Amino acid sequence: QKEVEQNSGPLSVPEGAIASLNCTYSDRGSQSFFWYRQYSGKSPELIMFIYSNGDKEDGRFTAQLNKASQYVSLLIRDSQPSDSATYLCAVRNSGNTPLVFGKGTRLSVIA
Amino acid sequence: NAGVTQTPKFRILKIGQSMTLQCTQDMNHNYMYWYRQDPGMGLKLIYYSVGAGITDKGEVPNGYNVSRSTTEDFPLRLELAAPSQTSVYFCASSRTGGNSGANVLTFGAGSRLTVL
Repeated sequence: QKEVEQNSGPLSVPEGAIASLNCTYSDRGSQSFFWYRQYSGKSPELIMFIYSNGDKEDGRFTAQLNKASQYVSLLIRDSQPSDSATYLCAVRNSGNTPLVFGKGTRLSVIA
Repeated sequence: NAGVTQTPKFRILKIGQSMTLQCTQDMNHNYMYWYRQDPGMGLKLIYYSVGAGITDKGEVPNGYNVSRSTTEDFPLRLELAAPSQTSVYFCASSRTGGNSGANVLTFGAGSRLTVL
């Protein structure tokens, strides 16, 4: 069973701080990695994806991938109360296999 | 361009009843998926399809059936509803399934189902 693990939280950070969300995965053959944000009662929406080891930046968001250690993280700089949501990590193995999602980490940004 | 449309948004079923959750996408995506999400949990894959006429089981297929007769539609059928099927159901689609930007999932708004 391929697994994606996340700390369920809640992770509380003050406004303006950096929020760090972590995700580990069990299948060493995994090739693509996604972060989705889900507000309460809404559907998931893509924040960013990463395929290669290292960092990928998009605005206030940075995804970090370390395939050797089998973890992927999401950093949110200058956190805002509007960032308060559940963040879902998703992993795809090789080929056309569907995404496997973690349980999500609930982030609360305190004004 | 409506994206992925799911109906109904809410439904209450009695134990043993059957129903179909509808999902339609207008983006000409080949891949379509059904996930369920229980409170405080991530998304679990029920069924998916890589194209019209092709479907495959996901992690939790028991109690459900699907069909894919057209590119646009991917209905999910619940036979003999049970309380364990109380959940939020999300349909999603993507243009491809491989490792490229085209494999990003677009989700529908979700269907909240309660079985009493």
